[in-house]
Amino acid sequence: EVQLVESGGGLVQPGGSLRLSCAASGFTFSSYSMNWVRQAPGKGLEWVSYISSSSSTIYYADSVKGQFTISRDNAKNSLYLQMNSLRAEDTAVYYCARDRRPDGYIGYDPFDCWGQGTLVTVSS
Amino acid sequence: DIQMTQSPSTLSASVGDRVTITCRASQSISGWLAWYQQKPGKAPKLLIYKASSLESGVPSRFSGSGSGTEFTLTISSLQPDDFATYYCQQYNSYSRTFGQGTKVEIK
Repeated sequence: EVQLVESGGGLVQPGGSLRLSCAASGFTFSSYSMNWVRQAPGKGLEWVSYISSSSSTIYYADSVKGQFTISRDNAKNSLYLQMNSLRAEDTAVYYCARDRRPDGYIGYDPFDCWGQGTLVTVSS
Repeated sequence: DIQMTQSPSTLSASVGDRVTITCRASQSISGWLAWYQQKPGKAPKLLIYKASSLESGVPSRFSGSGSGTEFTLTISSLQPDDFATYYCQQYNSYSRTFGQGTKVEIK
Protein backbone atom coordinates (compact mmCIF):
# COMPACT_ATOMS: atom_id res chain seq x y z
CA GLU A 1 0.00 0.00 0.00
CA VAL A 2 1.31 3.41 -0.96
CA GLN A 3 1.70 5.51 2.17
CA LEU A 4 3.06 8.91 3.15
CA VAL A 5 3.36 9.84 6.82
CA GLU A 6 4.30 13.36 7.91
CA SER A 7 5.82 14.27 11.26
CA GLY A 8 7.56 17.17 12.95
CA GLY A 9 4.74 19.66 13.30
CA GLY A 10 3.96 21.49 16.50
CA LEU A 11 3.80 24.85 18.24
CA VAL A 12 6.67 27.25 17.52
CA GLN A 13 7.22 30.89 18.37
CA PRO A 14 7.39 33.55 15.67
CA GLY A 15 10.91 33.66 14.22
CA GLY A 16 11.52 30.03 15.13
CA SER A 17 12.36 27.04 12.98
CA LEU A 18 10.89 23.63 12.41
CA ARG A 19 11.80 20.63 10.24
CA LEU A 20 9.04 18.50 8.80
CA SER A 21 9.58 14.94 7.62
CA CYS A 22 7.57 12.69 5.34
CA ALA A 23 8.22 8.94 5.39
CA ALA A 24 7.26 7.11 2.20
CA SER A 25 6.46 3.42 1.78
CA GLY A 26 4.81 1.07 -0.67
CA PHE A 27 6.41 2.51 -3.80
CA THR A 28 9.82 3.28 -5.32
CA PHE A 29 10.34 6.65 -3.65
CA SER A 30 13.49 7.43 -5.65
CA SER A 31 11.49 7.41 -8.91
CA TYR A 32 8.96 10.10 -7.98
CA SER A 33 9.03 13.86 -7.65
CA MET A 34 7.52 15.08 -4.40
CA ASN A 35 5.83 18.19 -3.09
CA TRP A 36 4.74 20.02 0.03
CA VAL A 37 1.26 21.58 0.11
CA ARG A 38 -0.19 23.53 3.02
CA GLN A 39 -3.65 24.50 4.17
CA ALA A 40 -4.24 27.28 6.69
CA PRO A 41 -7.12 26.66 9.12
CA GLY A 42 -10.43 26.98 7.29
CA LYS A 43 -8.69 27.98 4.05
CA GLY A 44 -7.82 26.44 0.71
CA LEU A 45 -4.82 24.52 -0.55
CA GLU A 46 -1.49 26.21 -1.33
CA TRP A 47 1.34 24.45 -3.15
CA VAL A 48 4.60 25.19 -1.28
CA SER A 49 7.53 23.37 -2.87
CA TYR A 50 8.61 20.71 -5.39
CA ILE A 51 11.66 18.46 -5.61
CA SER A 52 12.48 16.11 -8.47
CA SER A 53 13.38 12.48 -7.88
CA SER A 54 17.13 13.12 -7.98
CA SER A 55 16.91 16.50 -6.17
CA SER A 56 18.28 18.17 -9.32
CA THR A 57 15.25 20.45 -9.71
CA ILE A 58 13.66 22.38 -6.86
CA TYR A 59 10.91 25.00 -6.92
CA TYR A 60 9.29 27.13 -4.24
CA ALA A 61 6.18 29.25 -4.02
CA ASP A 62 7.04 32.96 -3.86
CA SER A 63 5.48 33.08 -0.39
CA VAL A 64 8.20 30.81 1.08
CA LYS A 65 11.19 31.42 -1.19
CA GLY A 66 14.30 32.07 0.87
CA GLN A 67 12.52 30.92 4.03
CA PHE A 68 11.86 27.18 3.44
CA THR A 69 14.19 24.48 2.10
CA ILE A 70 13.00 21.21 0.62
CA SER A 71 15.23 18.15 0.53
CA ARG A 72 15.02 14.37 0.30
CA ASP A 73 17.00 11.28 1.21
CA ASN A 74 16.20 8.49 -1.24
CA ALA A 75 18.16 5.96 0.82
CA LYS A 76 15.81 6.66 3.73
CA ASN A 77 12.65 7.06 1.60
CA SER A 78 12.15 10.44 3.22
CA LEU A 79 11.19 13.97 2.24
CA TYR A 80 11.93 17.03 4.37
CA LEU A 81 10.93 20.66 4.71
CA GLN A 82 13.15 22.97 6.74
CA MET A 83 11.14 26.03 7.77
CA ASN A 84 12.94 29.08 9.18
CA SER A 85 11.88 32.55 10.33
CA LEU A 86 8.35 31.30 10.86
CA ARG A 87 5.47 33.77 10.92
CA ALA A 88 1.87 33.53 12.05
CA GLU A 89 0.76 33.24 8.41
CA ASP A 90 2.75 29.99 8.09
CA THR A 91 0.29 28.33 10.48
CA ALA A 92 -1.24 25.47 8.52
CA VAL A 93 -1.55 21.75 8.04
CA TYR A 94 1.39 20.69 5.88
CA TYR A 95 0.92 17.75 3.51
CA CYS A 96 3.50 15.88 1.51
CA ALA A 97 2.19 14.78 -1.88
CA ARG A 98 3.49 12.62 -4.69
CA ASP A 99 3.48 13.49 -8.39
CA ARG A 100 1.17 11.10 -10.16
CA ARG A 101 3.72 9.58 -12.56
CA PRO A 102 7.30 8.44 -11.94
CA ASP A 103 9.94 10.77 -13.39
CA GLY A 104 10.66 10.57 -17.10
CA TYR A 105 7.71 12.51 -18.47
CA ILE A 106 7.85 16.04 -19.82
CA GLY A 107 5.98 18.70 -17.92
CA TYR A 108 4.27 18.55 -14.55
CA ASP A 109 1.74 16.33 -12.81
CA PRO A 110 -1.08 16.45 -10.30
CA PHE A 111 -0.77 14.71 -6.93
CA ASP A 112 -2.15 11.21 -6.59
CA CYS A 113 -1.02 10.33 -3.08
CA TRP A 114 -1.08 12.54 0.03
CA GLY A 115 -0.06 12.11 3.63
CA GLN A 116 -2.44 12.77 6.52
CA GLY A 117 -0.82 16.12 7.23
CA THR A 118 1.02 17.63 10.19
CA LEU A 119 -0.12 20.83 11.90
CA VAL A 120 2.31 23.71 12.32
CA THR A 121 1.18 26.49 14.65
CA VAL A 122 3.22 29.68 14.85
CA SER A 123 2.24 31.63 17.93
CA SER A 124 3.72 33.24 21.01
CA ASP B 1 1.64 32.93 -11.58
CA ILE B 2 -1.48 31.39 -13.06
CA GLN B 3 -4.58 32.21 -11.00
CA MET B 4 -7.44 29.72 -10.70
CA THR B 5 -10.97 30.89 -9.90
CA GLN B 6 -13.78 28.50 -8.97
CA SER B 7 -17.50 29.16 -8.91
CA PRO B 8 -19.62 28.93 -6.96
CA SER B 9 -17.84 29.06 -3.60
CA THR B 10 -20.70 27.15 -1.98
CA LEU B 11 -23.34 24.98 -3.57
CA SER B 12 -26.43 23.55 -1.86
CA ALA B 13 -27.81 20.41 -3.45
CA SER B 14 -29.83 17.29 -2.72
CA VAL B 15 -29.02 13.63 -3.18
CA GLY B 16 -29.65 12.71 -6.80
CA ASP B 17 -29.02 16.23 -8.15
CA ARG B 18 -26.73 16.92 -11.08
CA VAL B 19 -24.01 19.29 -9.88
CA THR B 20 -21.60 21.39 -11.93
CA ILE B 21 -18.58 23.34 -10.66
CA THR B 22 -16.65 25.75 -12.87
CA CYS B 23 -12.95 26.58 -12.78
CA ARG B 24 -11.33 29.37 -14.80
CA ALA B 25 -7.62 29.93 -15.37
CA SER B 26 -6.06 33.38 -15.76
CA GLN B 27 -4.27 32.15 -18.90
CA SER B 28 -4.46 29.10 -21.10
CA ILE B 29 -3.37 25.87 -19.41
CA SER B 30 -4.30 23.61 -22.32
CA GLY B 31 -5.81 20.53 -20.62
CA TRP B 32 -3.46 20.45 -17.64
CA LEU B 33 -6.14 20.56 -14.99
CA ALA B 34 -6.97 18.28 -12.06
CA TRP B 35 -9.90 18.06 -9.64
CA TYR B 36 -9.69 16.98 -6.01
CA GLN B 37 -12.23 16.15 -3.33
CA GLN B 38 -11.51 16.96 0.30
CA LYS B 39 -13.52 15.99 3.36
CA PRO B 40 -13.08 17.70 6.76
CA GLY B 41 -9.90 16.64 8.52
CA LYS B 42 -8.74 14.55 5.58
CA ALA B 43 -6.21 14.93 2.79
CA PRO B 44 -7.41 15.79 -0.69
CA LYS B 45 -8.18 12.95 -3.08
CA LEU B 46 -7.42 13.12 -6.81
CA LEU B 47 -10.58 12.63 -8.88
CA ILE B 48 -9.72 13.78 -12.40
CA TYR B 49 -6.54 14.66 -14.25
CA LYS B 50 -5.83 16.07 -17.70
CA ALA B 51 -9.21 17.82 -17.51
CA SER B 52 -11.32 14.73 -18.24
CA SER B 53 -9.43 11.56 -17.29
CA LEU B 54 -10.92 9.70 -14.34
CA GLU B 55 -8.42 8.56 -11.71
CA SER B 56 -8.51 4.83 -10.99
CA GLY B 57 -11.18 3.88 -8.46
CA VAL B 58 -13.20 7.09 -8.81
CA PRO B 59 -16.92 6.53 -9.49
CA SER B 60 -18.09 7.22 -13.03
CA ARG B 61 -20.65 9.77 -11.83
CA PHE B 62 -17.73 12.20 -11.73
CA SER B 63 -16.69 13.72 -15.03
CA GLY B 64 -14.61 16.66 -16.19
CA SER B 65 -14.45 18.73 -19.32
CA GLY B 66 -12.87 21.84 -20.79
CA SER B 67 -9.63 23.16 -22.19
CA GLY B 68 -7.74 26.41 -22.41
CA THR B 69 -9.10 28.58 -19.61
CA GLU B 70 -12.52 27.15 -18.73
CA PHE B 71 -13.22 23.80 -17.10
CA THR B 72 -16.08 22.03 -15.36
CA LEU B 73 -16.49 19.20 -12.89
CA THR B 74 -19.85 17.44 -13.05
CA ILE B 75 -21.36 14.98 -10.61
CA SER B 76 -24.18 13.31 -12.51
CA SER B 77 -26.18 12.14 -9.49
CA LEU B 78 -25.02 13.44 -6.12
CA GLN B 79 -24.54 10.76 -3.48
CA PRO B 80 -24.33 11.19 0.32
CA ASP B 81 -20.58 10.52 0.19
CA ASP B 82 -20.07 13.40 -2.25
CA PHE B 83 -20.76 16.22 0.21
CA ALA B 84 -17.29 17.73 0.47
CA THR B 85 -15.11 20.56 -0.82
CA TYR B 86 -13.78 20.37 -4.36
CA TYR B 87 -10.63 22.03 -5.67
CA CYS B 88 -9.29 22.49 -9.17
CA GLN B 89 -5.53 22.64 -9.76
CA GLN B 90 -3.53 23.68 -12.79
CA TYR B 91 -0.29 21.88 -13.57
CA ASN B 92 0.73 23.74 -16.69
CA SER B 93 3.55 25.37 -14.75
CA TYR B 94 5.80 24.34 -11.87
CA SER B 95 3.71 26.48 -9.53
CA ARG B 96 0.72 24.17 -9.36
CA THR B 97 -1.91 26.57 -8.12
CA PHE B 98 -5.29 25.56 -6.74
CA GLY B 99 -8.65 27.20 -6.98
CA GLN B 100 -10.16 28.53 -3.76
CA GLY B 101 -12.53 25.58 -3.43
CA THR B 102 -16.24 24.85 -3.79
CA LYS B 103 -18.10 23.45 -0.82
CA VAL B 104 -20.99 21.15 -1.74
CA GLU B 105 -23.53 21.21 1.08
CA ILE B 106 -26.72 19.33 1.78
CA LYS B 107 -29.79 21.34 0.78
